[in-house]
Amino acid sequence: SAVISQKPSRDICQRGTSLTIQCQVDSQVTMMFWYRQQPGQSLTLIATANQGSEATYESGFVIDKFPISRPNLTFSTLTVSNMSPEDSSIYLCSVSGIQQGNGYTFGSGTRLTVV
Amino acid sequence: AQRVTQPEKLLSVFKGAPVELKCNYSYSGSPELFWYVQYSRQRLQLLLRHISRESIKGFTADLNKGETSFHLKKPFAQEEDSAMYYCALSTVNQAGTALIFGKGTTLSVSS
Repeated sequence: SAVISQKPSRDICQRGTSLTIQCQVDSQVTMMFWYRQQPGQSLTLIATANQGSEATYESGFVIDKFPISRPNLTFSTLTVSNMSPEDSSIYLCSVSGIQQGNGYTFGSGTRLTVV
Repeated sequence: AQRVTQPEKLLSVFKGAPVELKCNYSYSGSPELFWYVQYSRQRLQLLLRHISRESIKGFTADLNKGETSFHLKKPFAQEEDSAMYYCALSTVNQAGTALIFGKGTTLSVSS
């Protein structure tokens, strides 16, 4: 099955700064998804990124806080802007349609701690 | 409203005992449901999908539309089954389709 590489795997950042997370897929995919998993919580969809169009954000998430790029069919970035301790989470990228059974495949996640 | 509910945060069983991880959903359309598993220090991975109706690692799940449930079952639990299990529902949003997740159930199997 296809592989998703996500980096950095973890980071500790100062409040007020920004962090850009990268997601690389080894096959072309139409849709890429960004999720957040807060401590002790489930996964929450932040946005869907289709190549060639603006990302579509879920309720409670805005582009100014979480700008997303999708320059081609194998790559996407998520930036967490002007960070506060409440942004401390695991951020995961995901793609669909590359796995047998058409399930969704997830990256290994980026563990972000804001101090 | 679209929603996935996993009522149990933690399920502890002994090795060899039957396991049932509960999942209920709320969705107005025809549901497409998944079970994902996350072992310690590993990434989230697909366990099974209701459409495929297959058994993976001895686990099965049957979609019951009348009860809006998709419970995950295994007749004899093994210690290596200890992990976090998430039930997920494929939904249609503005961008196409995406998964929404339940809160997850930690399965702990002890000898």
